[in-house]
Amino acid sequence: DGGITQSPKYLFRKEGQNVTLSCEQNLNHDAMYWYRQDPGQGLRLIYYSQIVNDFQKGDIAEGYSVSREKKESFPLTVTSAQKNPTAFYLCASTEGLAGGTDTQYFGPGTRLTVL
Amino acid sequence: AQKVTQAQTEISVVEKEDVTLDCVYETRDTTYYLFWYKQPPSGELVFLIRRNSFDEQNEISGRYSWNFQKSTSSFNFTITASQVVDSAVYFCALSEDPNTGGFKTIFGAGTRLFVKA
Repeated sequence: DGGITQSPKYLFRKEGQNVTLSCEQNLNHDAMYWYRQDPGQGLRLIYYSQIVNDFQKGDIAEGYSVSREKKESFPLTVTSAQKNPTAFYLCASTEGLAGGTDTQYFGPGTRLTVL
Repeated sequence: AQKVTQAQTEISVVEKEDVTLDCVYETRDTTYYLFWYKQPPSGELVFLIRRNSFDEQNEISGRYSWNFQKSTSSFNFTITASQVVDSAVYFCALSEDPNTGGFKTIFGAGTRLFVKA
């Protein structure tokens, strides 16, 4: 079955540590996205990538970094510079390069907790 | 500015009741797209519907129906004869034409629906 996988499902981090969240898709989609979800809030865009080796900042990119070395993979690193990283992180993809007008397909998410 | 407002934070209904989730949006574009997604307790957002700004026809899919009214900038979602499995957070989202302003999708804050047996 095609879809998006994210790992791990739960992640605990000590303050000052960098952590990397994995996102893999086998839908052959061109574009991939990372969102952050906080309780009672909608999704906020962190980064997105339309093609391999290219990505753009979203609304809340500070303290995060990404890479897109392969079409199917778009890992997100939460760095120690992110002041409040505890949140639920969702990865998504869309088929074409049209960006946000395409339907987004989401992974199951990673819940990150900073201890 | 682009904005999506879901004024209902939480709604609680008893099974078999009908329930309407409100979504009001703001955009300067004439070409835009509206979405509804469902987020069950598992966390993964599930796509429900996509509608472009030139198609104001209402849509019905089983127990789900959507009422799109450009005159009031609203895209409301109704569940008929609700079931416990409908319990989830529902998000309304707006995407503007990337040719006019670049990629931008804005999500509302979501409405949490509780359906009690």
